[in-house]
Amino acid sequence: RKEVEQDPGPFNVPEGATVAFNCTYSNSASQSFFWYRQDCRKEPKLLMSVYSSGNEDGRFTAQLNRASQYISLLIRDSKLSDSATYLCVVTLSGGYQKVTFGTGTKLQVIP
Amino acid sequence: SQTIHQWPATLVQPVGSPLSLECTVEGTSNPNLYWYRQAAGRGLQLLFYSVGIGQISSEVPQNLSASRPQDRQFILSSKKLLLSDSGFYLCAWSVGRNYGYTFGSGTRLTVV
Repeated sequence: RKEVEQDPGPFNVPEGATVAFNCTYSNSASQSFFWYRQDCRKEPKLLMSVYSSGNEDGRFTAQLNRASQYISLLIRDSKLSDSATYLCVVTLSGGYQKVTFGTGTKLQVIP
Repeated sequence: SQTIHQWPATLVQPVGSPLSLECTVEGTSNPNLYWYRQAAGRGLQLLFYSVGIGQISSEVPQNLSASRPQDRQFILSSKKLLLSDSGFYLCAWSVGRNYGYTFGSGTRLTVV
């Protein structure tokens, strides 16, 4: 089983729709969780951290389910500019920040 | 504010040639520095990380090496490139495991 797994997509959604991605992780000792956004041929950029209690940033909501070992990202009122690949990132506790990136879920918002 | 610079943006190199990619960080001290590679259509693979000057750890054995001659400078090198070294190379820095990474703009390397 991969350490971090994501559905590669693509998710094709119309403007204004709500879309959700999940990301599962295999190591129960995982400590920190993030969502990154990567535009085509660009570097990944931090979208948001994922907190245990869930957190929201505008149209974006991130949630963590430790019991089932997954995190989710919900995007409401999708915009064309949301089209990108969304990477799930999981870190392990310990002196060295062992970070594992998912391979990403591609989102295409269509007019 | 903190910034990270990475160059060159694109590079085409013949097989067997050497490589040197440089990354510098401004606006922070003693950052954790990382080199990642992203092959076409694939996820990010950690190559090297450094927690301080002269301290380099390798995640994946290969023909690449890294050095950190100064606190905010991280260099990725190879003596002889292979075709399989083609990819998108990203430098990143972090202040700690709970703060995520900031990536440089990347170098797209094509080995021909």
